[in-house]
Amino acid sequence: DARVTQTPRHKVTEMGQEVTMRCQPILGHNTVFWYRQTMMQGLELLAYFRNRAPLDDSGMPKDRFSAEMPDATLATLKIQPSEPRDSAVYFCASGLGEGGQDNEQFFGPGTRLTVL
Amino acid sequence: DQQVKQNSPSLSVQEGRISILNCDYTNSMFDYFLWYKKYPAEGPTFLISISSIKDKNEDGRFTVFLNKSAKHLSLHIVPSQPGDSAVYFCAAGSIFGNEKLTFGTGTRLTIIP
Repeated sequence: DARVTQTPRHKVTEMGQEVTMRCQPILGHNTVFWYRQTMMQGLELLAYFRNRAPLDDSGMPKDRFSAEMPDATLATLKIQPSEPRDSAVYFCASGLGEGGQDNEQFFGPGTRLTVL
Repeated sequence: DQQVKQNSPSLSVQEGRISILNCDYTNSMFDYFLWYKKYPAEGPTFLISISSIKDKNEDGRFTVFLNKSAKHLSLHIVPSQPGDSAVYFCAAGSIFGNEKLTFGTGTRLTIIP
């Protein structure tokens, strides 16, 4: 049963601390996406990779957020330093990189981040 | 600038009746659209999609309608079932945008038994 996995599922931290979220995409998928879910904006795209290369991180606050893919089985999203406004659910998704309406992205269960 | 809009944050429908969820977009470069369904504490899952060359796509109880001139699409669920209670996200993409999807803010659908 191929699934995207994310760790941790929940994270509570204090303002100023570093937060690292991890994602294991589905084996064989060549695109990986990081989203943030907020009430006002819905699902915002933060960054995405194709074949481990970053293609677009325009949705990410560059001064504090960073996203990497050290290898094909791991994607990370790091926030340093964290702020209360970063509290949200962060989703990772992966896909086969097919265009058009077959561009289905498979989502992980999310990491719920609370910054106090 | 919200390029994909779901103006109804919530919708309640009686079990067995039709649920209609709406989505509007502003970017005429979008040429395919997807609907995702999300249960609490889970990630969104793909439901149905449509290409801009079509105006309708049907899959069982789910039908998506696309009106390109109005930049509007809708998801019809009939008959609605209690298990359909979830948040529904509309998403749009462009073949020129690589694999990027732009999502709406979601509509919470509640099916009343």
